[in-house]
Amino acid sequence: GQNIDQPTEMTATEGAIVQINCTYQTSGFNGLFWYQQHAGEAPTFLSYNVLDGLEEKGRFSSFLSRSKGYSYLLLKELQMKDSASYLCAVRDTHNQGGKLIFGQGTELSVKP
Amino acid sequence: DTEVTQTPKHLVMGMTNKKSLKCEQHMGHRAMYWYKQKAKKPPELMFVYSYEKLSINESVPSRFSPECPNSSLLNLHLHALQPEDSALYLCASSQEGSGSNQPQHFGDGTRLSIL
Repeated sequence: GQNIDQPTEMTATEGAIVQINCTYQTSGFNGLFWYQQHAGEAPTFLSYNVLDGLEEKGRFSSFLSRSKGYSYLLLKELQMKDSASYLCAVRDTHNQGGKLIFGQGTELSVKP
Repeated sequence: DTEVTQTPKHLVMGMTNKKSLKCEQHMGHRAMYWYKQKAKKPPELMFVYSYEKLSINESVPSRFSPECPNSSLLNLHLHALQPEDSALYLCASSQEGSGSNQPQHFGDGTRLSIL
């Protein structure tokens, strides 16, 4: 079956580094996406990995290991505005309109 | 603000009403999506349109009827909804093509309440 696991909640301190893990078991794999969603707002795209390794984008980095079915999102120099839900999503096929399968989301609280 | 525009932002309707949700994008994307999201849950895929043709229907009840009039517009027609259909309805779009790595861009959603 299809399964994506992430921690439900995490708490971190302003200025620190936090790593949000995601493990997945899906019937197909055509990339893994990380989205950020503030309460009451639309999900916004953060990063994409389809090959093994680390992708860096400013304060945000994402890592993928396809053999382990594992990804993480690394947030550096945390700011209060980073408090949000972080969604891991796997695109399961090469087909046009390939669907995204979302994890349950990790609610991150950044404290002063 | 996002590049995917959804209207209305809020909608309250009775179980016997008929209403429509609208979504528009002008990024030239050829795939468009409807998702349903309950509080503190991830988005659940409902429908996917690819090149204006319905390509995925996730066994959604017939009281939800999607329509894609052209490549920029996506509608969701609602009729005889139930209280459990109250949720945030998100529209998204993406570029498509074999092996596309393009992300889905989400609208701000329509918050729907069924009385």
